[in-house]
Amino acid sequence: EDQVTQSPEALRLQEGESSSLNCSYTVSGLRGLFWYRQDPGKGPEFLFTLYSAGEEKEKERLKATLTKKESFLHITAPKPEDSATYLCAVQAGGRGSTLGRLYFGRGTQLTVWP
Amino acid sequence: DAGVIQSPRHEVTEMGQEVTLRCKPISGHDYLFWYRQTMMRGLELLIYFNNNVPIDDSGMPEDRFSAKMPNASFSTLKIQPSEPRDSAVYFCASSFSSFGNEQFFGPGTRLTVL
Repeated sequence: EDQVTQSPEALRLQEGESSSLNCSYTVSGLRGLFWYRQDPGKGPEFLFTLYSAGEEKEKERLKATLTKKESFLHITAPKPEDSATYLCAVQAGGRGSTLGRLYFGRGTQLTVWP
Repeated sequence: DAGVIQSPRHEVTEMGQEVTLRCKPISGHDYLFWYRQTMMRGLELLIYFNNNVPIDDSGMPEDRFSAKMPNASFSTLKIQPSEPRDSAVYFCASSFSSFGNEQFFGPGTRLTVL
């Protein structure tokens, strides 16, 4: 069964303290790996899509990388406004009813304090 | 574009009552997804549609839940009768095509069943 595991569940960083979030997955034929940010009381907001091992994408202080078994979301010199829950999701190359669906991890709750 | 629109944003009802949640996807998107999010289970896919046709409803908890998409710009998720364990945040999301395309989420409906 396709699965997505995120670690750690929660992470507290001081402003400026860089770190990484992990997303490990087991899927049959990865079509895409997605990172989302979710603020309290809001829907997940799309950040990145990665399609193949070795691919990297950046946005401001965030950089996402992908290997054959996991993805990392690197946060460089975070600020308090980066505090949110970060969700990882994968899309598998299934057939029939599995086409198009995403499998989400439980997320990492990031808190950045001044 | 206004993004995915959901209504109501908050719903409080009593056990046994019928609840209808509404969603307007982003214009031009041909996939629509209904999710449920709880602290215990995270983000779960309930059902999704392609071109207004239900593709996978295996995530619908039981027969009390039903979803329709009468046209490309409107979908409903109905719970009848509602139970306290249905209390959660329900999200609607839409995407253009399926493979490797990100899903855009609405703000969610927070449902409380007393």
